[in-house]
Amino acid sequence: DQQVKQNSPSLSVQEGRISILNCDYTNSMFDYFLWYKKYPAEGPTFLISISSIKDKNEDGRFTVFLNKSAKHLSLHIVPSQPGDSAVYFCAATPLRSGGGADGLTFGKGTHLIIQP
Amino acid sequence: DTGVSQDPRHKITKRGQNVTFRCDPISEHNRLYWYRQTLGQGPEFLTYFQNEAQLEKSRLLSDRFSAERPKGSFSTLEIQRTEQGDSAMYLCASSLSGAIHYFGPGTRLTVT
Repeated sequence: DQQVKQNSPSLSVQEGRISILNCDYTNSMFDYFLWYKKYPAEGPTFLISISSIKDKNEDGRFTVFLNKSAKHLSLHIVPSQPGDSAVYFCAATPLRSGGGADGLTFGKGTHLIIQP
Repeated sequence: DTGVSQDPRHKITKRGQNVTFRCDPISEHNRLYWYRQTLGQGPEFLTYFQNEAQLEKSRLLSDRFSAERPKGSFSTLEIQRTEQGDSAMYLCASSLSGAIHYFGPGTRLTVT
């Protein structure tokens, strides 16, 4: 059973517009959420994260929104740029006391394509 | 370069052979994680270390897999008697007591 779901395998967005990537989770124990970006033949690169005590976190062009009641989070990229074309993974984990994590549970990813 | 490094980047082996991969984490990071990624899937957690102690192992980590981190610095992942189903990208990540993982470039294993 998939505990983290990214239901859109791919998404095409015009350069300059907003990209919205969605993620749903089922495990109520998850209280920390992360987004990673991955280019082919490279490891995932950390983008942005959010704790369950918040509903929004912003870093430059990237904003993550968390709706705990719906067990849903989304990543907004504004404005979208050609270099944003990559696979985006949503990940989640319960936090240990002290802030660490045992391991992340990832979704299958969404391939974002930015059209010129 | 102060990021996570992995060696080798690519490995091709015949079914039944043993392989070993190495991961060097970011130097001050005390946690080290191994993940496996197959085509069309996200990374799947295998195991992790805090310093030299192996704290958790996934059910994906069969008896043919063993991981070590002997001095709390670099780590090795060994797969014995490889099978075609072991073909995947093996990713290593490290963290400094937090949840944010910093990933290496991965080792792509192909079992023929």
